[in-house]
Amino acid sequence: QKEVEQDPGPLSVPEGAIVSLNCTYSNSAFQYFMWYRQYSRKGPELLMYTYSSGNKEDGRFTAQVDKSSKYISLFIRDSQPSDSATYLCAMSGGGADGLTFGKGTHLIIQP
Amino acid sequence: NAGVMQNPRHLVRRRGQEARLRCSPMKGHSHVYWYRQLPEEGLKFMVYLQKENIIDESGMPKERFSAEFPKEGPSILRIQQVVRGDSAAYFCASSLKLTGANYGYTFGSGTRLTVV
Repeated sequence: QKEVEQDPGPLSVPEGAIVSLNCTYSNSAFQYFMWYRQYSRKGPELLMYTYSSGNKEDGRFTAQVDKSSKYISLFIRDSQPSDSATYLCAMSGGGADGLTFGKGTHLIIQP
Repeated sequence: NAGVMQNPRHLVRRRGQEARLRCSPMKGHSHVYWYRQLPEEGLKFMVYLQKENIIDESGMPKERFSAEFPKEGPSILRIQQVVRGDSAAYFCASSLKLTGANYGYTFGSGTRLTVV
């Protein structure tokens, strides 16, 4: 079993729809959870980070963490064509370790 | 603030040659991380360095790969005797402090290595 599972997609939705992206993980030591957006041929860009379980909202983006289920989500409201990208979840146990990434979900917002 | 700078953006090497990838962290950042992204794969951690120190190299292949972050100048990821399987995008990230991983860190635009 991989440490972090993420459906690669592609996920195609019409403009204005609510998008739900998800990751599951197996390592209960993970405490810090992040979402990155990566456009084609570019580096990953940090969107949001959360610590432990709970919700965090930033503009059109909401991140949710459920540590009991080992499940994290990113919701995008009022999706725009410019949101079309690959979304990567990442997590760490804290301290000096590197991040563990999911493979990324390719999202397409249709105008 | 120029962000994390990586060069070259694209690098083509023949099998058996050496590849040198450079990373200049964000201004004031003393922690550098290298990741590799293979086609259709997620980012994989390779190595974590501070100035003049390797903190964690648990993700580095045991042979042919090395990394350094000297007191002056950029961090260098060096791949000796490259093989086709080394073809990938290599990303560098930097953070201000030891626990930068907890809050996510800033990535550069990457170096795309192609081995022919």
